[in-house]
Amino acid sequence: DIQMTQSPSSLSASVGDTVTITCRASQRIDFYLNWYQQRPGKAPSLLIYAASSLQSGVPSRFSGSGSGTDFTLTISSLHPEDFATYFCQQTYSTPPTFGHGTKLEI
Amino acid sequence: QVQLVQSGAEVRKPGTSVKVSCKASGYTFTAHYIHWVRQAPGQGLEWMGWMNPDTGGTTYAQNFQGRVIMTRDTTINTAFMEFTSLRSDDTAVYYCARTDSPEGDWFDPWGQGTLVTVSS
Repeated sequence: DIQMTQSPSSLSASVGDTVTITCRASQRIDFYLNWYQQRPGKAPSLLIYAASSLQSGVPSRFSGSGSGTDFTLTISSLHPEDFATYFCQQTYSTPPTFGHGTKLEI
Repeated sequence: QVQLVQSGAEVRKPGTSVKVSCKASGYTFTAHYIHWVRQAPGQGLEWMGWMNPDTGGTTYAQNFQGRVIMTRDTTINTAFMEFTSLRSDDTAVYYCARTDSPEGDWFDPWGQGTLVTVSS
């Protein structure tokens, strides 16, 4: 199975800050990397697919980059509703695997 | 709009089974795969398997082989995940999610989740 290593596991920031979360795959996954946001008590929701494509309806302050093994999620100008947990996921091969998550806290 | 709505919370005793449903609306049910993912309390996301609603074909994660059965009823646009021989560490929220293909895709949307509590 492909292991996904996400860092940091938690992150403290303030409204208006820019933050970056990284995700590293244990082998090359081309661009088959997705990012999800999960708010407490809610299901995950898709933010970024195929490494850098913004899901419809997601604010443009979210962006993704990378290919191969190293990927980043950047959130510019944090809004209060952005404080949540973020997961990366590879779908290059079965089983699809997730990072352990990054909890973004105020 | 495209939506997946899951059945309500369940409580089961160890050794028993549970069957969770996932009703699709807003799209052609048989044209997209349904995956199941679980999340134990305070933990990450663990993929359980997928089902092709058109053919009924399935692929299960190795960790769940022999204990999970994914089925569907195309007349009511609903997917089901039955989980047997439950243990206390199967206590988790179980999600269904949609993809266009079994690999190389993304999970969107997700159902709201079904909490399954396993306790004696």
